[in-house]
Amino acid sequence: RKEVEQDPGPFNVPEGATVAFNCTYSNSASQSFFWYRQDCRKEPKLLMSVYSSGNEDGRFTAQLNRASQYISLLIRDSKLSDSATYLCVVNSGYSTLTFGKGTMLLVSP
Amino acid sequence: DARVTQTPRHKVTEMGQEVTMRCQPILGHNTVFWYRQTMMQGLELLAYFRNRAPLDDSGMPKDRFSAEMPDATLATLKIQPSEPRDSAVYFCASGTVGAGYGYTFGSGTRLTVV
Repeated sequence: RKEVEQDPGPFNVPEGATVAFNCTYSNSASQSFFWYRQDCRKEPKLLMSVYSSGNEDGRFTAQLNRASQYISLLIRDSKLSDSATYLCVVNSGYSTLTFGKGTMLLVSP
Repeated sequence: DARVTQTPRHKVTEMGQEVTMRCQPILGHNTVFWYRQTMMQGLELLAYFRNRAPLDDSGMPKDRFSAEMPDATLATLKIQPSEPRDSAVYFCASGTVGAGYGYTFGSGTRLTVV
């Protein structure tokens, strides 16, 4: 089983739609969780950390389910500028980050 | 905004040549990572340093890759000799140890070995 697994997509959604991504991780001892965003031919950028209690940042909501070992990202009211690849990231020990291969989102007019 | 600076941005080289990639981490960050990204494998951790000491380089092909951090402002990744399968984007990232902290990536070095 891969350490961090994501559906590669692409998810094609119209502007204004709500879209959700899930990610599963294999290491039950993982402590920190993040969502990164990567635009085409650019570096990954931190979108948000994921806390046990769930957290929200504007249109973005992240949730963590430790029992089932999955993380989710919900994007409400999608914008064209949300089109990117979303990387699920897990702290896999010694503060190293293990990345999923990403889920591609395409938002169309 | 503080940035991680990588040079060169692009590199095209012939098989067998030595390649050196450089990274200037954000001042004050004590952890530096080297990642490689390809379409097939995604982001793979090659090596990382904490307080300039190498902690893990198990992701690197040891026979041809080497990573060093000669001082707090410079990390290097060398490939000698380079091979076509090394073609990828190489990212450096830096951060501070602590649960809940993400890391900041540089813009990457896009390497093509022909």
